[in-house]
Amino acid sequence: LAKTTQPISMDSYEGQEVNITCSHNNIATNDYITWYQQFPSQGPRFIIQGYKTKVTNEVASLFIPADRKSSTLSLPRVSLSDTAVYYCLVGPNDYKLSFGAGTTVTVRA
Amino acid sequence: DVKVTQSSRYLVKRTGEKVFLECVQDMDHENMFWYRQDPGLGLRLIYFSYDVKMKEKGDIPEGYSVSREKKERFSLILESASTNQTSMYLCASSLGGYTGELFFGEGSRLTVL
Repeated sequence: LAKTTQPISMDSYEGQEVNITCSHNNIATNDYITWYQQFPSQGPRFIIQGYKTKVTNEVASLFIPADRKSSTLSLPRVSLSDTAVYYCLVGPNDYKLSFGAGTTVTVRA
Repeated sequence: DVKVTQSSRYLVKRTGEKVFLECVQDMDHENMFWYRQDPGLGLRLIYFSYDVKMKEKGDIPEGYSVSREKKERFSLILESASTNQTSMYLCASSLGGYTGELFFGEGSRLTVL
């Protein structure tokens, strides 16, 4: 399974855009890139998934360059409620995915 | 909506006790998972099951066993609880396939004294 590297923490202010980059240099051809969000005392929840180029939904955008060795999760105009841990996962399926430590995003007023 | 229900939110057990953590999902998902979460370590996969009575070890299976007798239920068993098994335990399920999304329960916080 592809190893991922993402920043431990990021700080932001309300209304700003937050971009979290995940490195996955040994991504395989069949691997998808998936991001999850976890609030305190809750289980993670799926945010977005992509294979290449750009994916956008009502929560976030995911940018994947042509070489797919990294990806960037973009959270537009964050609010205090976006304070959470964000996990980047890379894999062919959901069988043996481990989440790692993730990126703790703190949004301040 | 998919619902993954874990039987207990908080448990306190003593060293050496046998502990059962139960998880039930209501969406007929093929796959079910048990993770533990510890500060600074993220979520680590203990076991997963891709079908009834089928299981595979994850990254940290030592000290744990699992049971899946029915499709909707996946149990995590600590045969003899130890203090280093104090943790948050998260159950998840997914439909399966290359792009399977994981649905998590609320978690069970286990304290072993």
